[in-house]
Amino acid sequence: NAGVTQTPKFRVLKTGQSMTLLCAQDMNHEYMYWYRQDPGMGLRLIHYSVGEGTTAKGEVPDGYNVSRLKKQNFLLGLESAAPSQTSVYFCASNNRELGNQPQHFGDGTRLSIL
Amino acid sequence: GDSVTQMEGPVTLSEEAFLTINCTYTATGYPSLFWYVQYPGEGLQLLLKATKADDKGSNKGFEATYRKETTSFHLEKGSVQVSDSAVYFCALSDRGNTGKLIFGQGTTLQVKP
Repeated sequence: NAGVTQTPKFRVLKTGQSMTLLCAQDMNHEYMYWYRQDPGMGLRLIHYSVGEGTTAKGEVPDGYNVSRLKKQNFLLGLESAAPSQTSVYFCASNNRELGNQPQHFGDGTRLSIL
Repeated sequence: GDSVTQMEGPVTLSEEAFLTINCTYTATGYPSLFWYVQYPGEGLQLLLKATKADDKGSNKGFEATYRKETTSFHLEKGSVQVSDSAVYFCALSDRGNTGKLIFGQGTTLQVKP
């Protein structure tokens, strides 16, 4: 059982380049999330989705876009990468029973913007 | 808005020492509370949770009690091992319709032999 899988695991970009991070889950979860992790700041929510075809902004959405065309996939896009987006990105998912269900996390994507 | 505050690290302990990592929260309503652990190079794993006041979550020798009166969820372990070295995150989930988590800043634990 793969759980939550993120690709790629590492990437180096130049300022202004674009890229897409892929998150796939095989647990049939309705809800999916993208976080970024920065030193001393914990994890901050970028965007999330409560179902196929729906997305919503989190705490730090600027500079990112997302899409949830299929229930099992949640894509995070950087249209024009900036050095401030250097971070470790985590995807997570959980099911519809809210409030007391833990999120399941991927292993992260380490992204460096030069 | 809702928030979580953890004690600053790093916390350095000798093997078999007692561990406490403090966590306090601010929230409207009655959130669920979680502790996650992150080992080097890996994602976050759920360590334990509590969903209502006075609940005690426990796992792998770690415990935390949901204290509504002090808005706290401190993590404890009676005897740490080198393998417990990791970053620990306290988090809360509101009872709205999104399942979003709000994390503390994380506390690094280093256990020396």
